[in-house]
Amino acid sequence: GENVEQHPSTLSVQEGDSAVIKCTYSDSASNYFPWYKQELGKGPQLIIDIRSNVGEKKDQRIAVTLNKTAKHFSLHITETQPEDSAVYFCAASRTGGGADGLTFGKGTHLIIQP
Amino acid sequence: EAQVTQNPRYLITVTGKKLTVTCSQNMNHEYMSWYRQDPGLGLRQIYYSMNVEVTDKGDVPEGYKVSRKEKRNFPLILESPSPNQTSLYFCASSPGTSGDTQYFGPGTRLTVL
Repeated sequence: GENVEQHPSTLSVQEGDSAVIKCTYSDSASNYFPWYKQELGKGPQLIIDIRSNVGEKKDQRIAVTLNKTAKHFSLHITETQPEDSAVYFCAASRTGGGADGLTFGKGTHLIIQP
Repeated sequence: EAQVTQNPRYLITVTGKKLTVTCSQNMNHEYMSWYRQDPGLGLRQIYYSMNVEVTDKGDVPEGYKVSRKEKRNFPLILESPSPNQTSLYFCASSPGTSGDTQYFGPGTRLTVL
């Protein structure tokens, strides 16, 4: 089955700086890669996703890049703000190839220092 | 408002006392699933359902049961809870049958003494 590795487990950045979280996956058939943000006491919320037919996707201060050859994808947050502090999860799945759903990384605790 | 709801949000129980955590979605989604979240282990799938009366095991199904009698509901049943099932549980739903874009409920914090 799929295995997703996520790094780092904790990331502390100064407010206004950029943050990058990286994930690798094992199943070359995976073709859908979402990122979730989990705030304290809440369920994970989808913030951005990318499919394997594109290499990069951007939504305001958030961007995701995908390198299918190397089997890794990254989340980039620019101009970080205090409200970006949360736990972020990457995930991978094979749409149309089965109903196993998402395989998650173990999460990154992002801390924005004022 | 489109949402996934779970009840109860918090539950403390004792070993061996059967319990059910309910999950309901109002988005007419085909796919529903249950996850448990433990420190350092991320989110692990317990069971999933592609449609009514269709359920299958995820990565950590031991000690759990589910049912999908209606499209909107997907209860999680612990017939004989044990302390190692103390965890934070999330229900999620997805519009397709492959379970890619998933929307999560608010979570249920379960403690088994």
